[in-house]
Amino acid sequence: DAGVTQSPTHLIKTRGQHVTLRCSPISGHKSVSWYQQVLGQGPQFIFQYYEKEERGRGNFPDRFSARQFPNYSSELNVNALLLGDSALYLCASSLDLHQDSNQPQHFGDGTRLSIL
Amino acid sequence: AQTVTQSQPEMSVQEAETVTLSCTYDTSENNYYLFWYKQPPSRQMILVIRQEAYKQQNATENRFSVNFQKAAKSFSLKISDSQLGDTAMYFCALLSGTYKYIFGTGTRLKVLA
Repeated sequence: DAGVTQSPTHLIKTRGQHVTLRCSPISGHKSVSWYQQVLGQGPQFIFQYYEKEERGRGNFPDRFSARQFPNYSSELNVNALLLGDSALYLCASSLDLHQDSNQPQHFGDGTRLSIL
Repeated sequence: AQTVTQSQPEMSVQEAETVTLSCTYDTSENNYYLFWYKQPPSRQMILVIRQEAYKQQNATENRFSVNFQKAAKSFSLKISDSQLGDTAMYFCALLSGTYKYIFGTGTRLKVLA
């Protein structure tokens, strides 16, 4: 079975542009979460989606948005990019809502976003 | 507020030796889970081991084991018989009450030949 897949693997943008990152969860997984990992730090939670609804949001500005599609894949959108948005963006999927299960998240390889 | 603290930015260990990585956390929840994830240079976060807070028995997975001290809010990872492939960043993570994982800042482990 394929794991969590993310695209693209690398992306270079300039300040002020917008970007869309994509994630396909493991087959059968209904929950998708997004994390931002700045170099040298641990991942920071951005969003969680479950059954196409936002179920959690971290402390990120409104420039960050996401959605989940009927096939449970997800997109993360970031508008008006800033230099500080340079990071590895990780997507993770799980079978269920974390709160109701001890099913761990499975992470993708991430998208490395560089802002010039 | 929920927090996870890893106070060892870097550690090294000789191949075949044992190493312990430290993690402390804070949460007001009674029901929570703790995890250790490994992130090699390939970037993918790989689950190493997990512990349910309601279980007193420490979790073990082959060469990996934890020392879970609930009262002290401590969750250390012991790697026995270290192998070169264990070289990676190790993150401690807390899941409690909400839908998000709280990660520590990580410990970079280098296994020396």
